[in-house]
Amino acid sequence: SAVISQKPSRDICQRGTSLTIQCQVDSQVTMMFWYRQQPGQSLTLIATANQGSEATYESGFVIDKFPISRPNLTFSTLTVSNMSPEDSSIYLCSVLGNFNEQFFGPGTRLTVL
Amino acid sequence: GEDVEQSLFLSVREGDSSVINCTYTDSSSTYLYWYKQEPGAGLQLLTYIFSNMDMKQDQRLTVLLNKKDKHLSLRIADTQTGDSAIYFCAEKDSSASKIIFGSGTRLSIRP
Repeated sequence: SAVISQKPSRDICQRGTSLTIQCQVDSQVTMMFWYRQQPGQSLTLIATANQGSEATYESGFVIDKFPISRPNLTFSTLTVSNMSPEDSSIYLCSVLGNFNEQFFGPGTRLTVL
Repeated sequence: GEDVEQSLFLSVREGDSSVINCTYTDSSSTYLYWYKQEPGAGLQLLTYIFSNMDMKQDQRLTVLLNKKDKHLSLRIADTQTGDSAIYFCAEKDSSASKIIFGSGTRLSIRP
C-alpha cells in the first residue's frame, strides 16, 4: 500500500486568502487525485493530476480556483484560492495503486472564517 | 450517470454482526471498494473486490457481490466499539480513473 502524507493537517484561514496543500507519497505513482469532503458529505473529485500534464478538472471545479501542481511522481499541491466560508471542507489527496486500489491521505481540514 | 447508494445509519449491538449494504447503477463497474472513516481521520481502504468475484473474506470482514442486482454488502463479524465509523462504498469501471462514492453509512455500536 502507498503511504500518503498531507500538510497542513488543518488550518483556519480568512476569507479572500489562499492556502496551498501539499501531498507527498512514499512511492512513485502516475495518477494522483484531489477530493473534497464537505461537512457531513461524501467525497467529490476535484481533479486528476498526472505528472507532466495539466490537471483534469471535474465539472464544477476550475483551475483558477483550484490550481494544482504535479512536479514529480511523488508530490502534488492543491491551492484553494480566494477562499470563502463555502470552501470549508476536508481536502484529501489520493493515489492509484498497482492493482487499482485507491489510497487516501489523512486529509487537510480547512475552516474559512 | 453513475450512482452509488447506501443507507445513512446502522446501529448494532456489540458482538453482533453488522451488515452494510450498497447498490450501484453502473453495469460496467469493475472494482468495488469499502472504505472506513473514523471521526477526524482520512479514508482507510478496508477491502475491495473485482466484479468477477462473488465473495471476498478477510478476517472479520466479508464482502458479497451480487452483480446481477448490482448489490454489494460488507459484513463485519463480532462488531466492536472500534468499528464505529462511517463506511463508504465506492465503484470504478476499468476505463475510468475516478471512483464514485456512496453517501456513507454511519455505524454506531450499542452496548
